[in-house]
Amino acid sequence: DVKVTQSSRYLVKRTGEKVFLECVQDMDHENMFWYRQDPGLGLRLIYFSYDVKMKEKGDIPEGYSVSREKKERFSLILESASTNQTSMYLCASSLPGRSEQFFGPGTRLTVL
Amino acid sequence: AQRVTQPEKLLSVFKGAPVELKCNYSYSGSPELFWYVQYSRQRLQLLLRHISRESIKGFTADLNKGETSFHLKKPFAQEEDSAMYYCALSHNNAGNMLTFGGGTRLMVKP
Repeated sequence: DVKVTQSSRYLVKRTGEKVFLECVQDMDHENMFWYRQDPGLGLRLIYFSYDVKMKEKGDIPEGYSVSREKKERFSLILESASTNQTSMYLCASSLPGRSEQFFGPGTRLTVL
Repeated sequence: AQRVTQPEKLLSVFKGAPVELKCNYSYSGSPELFWYVQYSRQRLQLLLRHISRESIKGFTADLNKGETSFHLKKPFAQEEDSAMYYCALSHNNAGNMLTFGGGTRLMVKP
């Protein structure tokens, strides 16, 4: 089974803090994705990466950055957290050329 | 631009009733469509994809290119079908990105 893990299930941070969300997959997938999940808006793509050190902006990259130093790990960084970044964050991975994505359990981030 | 619309945020039915979760899309290329499901306290997972034309847990979905729809159907709903359902469209680009609809929460009442 593909296993995608995320470093925290729940996280509470203060406005202005730098926040790191970590995602690790164990199936040697080239593609990795970060989404945020909000009621009524579904999943919106923040960033994705199709190889180590490669990254592409998704639909809502503002206020976020990412890092992919190793194939299995994809980090989402909130440079200066704001209250409108309170959300559920989902990480996913997939094989190249395959559309099926495998998701992590999610991190619920609250920014106070 | 690609877009996926799920018009119903909430769908409530009684056990044994038929279910249809609506999904409409707009895409200029040849679409590849999926339904993902998220049960309570579980991770999002693939339910079915249109190219395999399969039935999973009694659910089916047919791609209607004329109506640009990919509705999810089940003839007899079960309580364990209660979950959040997302329709998704693949961009078929190098990264095989997905565009998701807003989701429909299905509640099956006993």
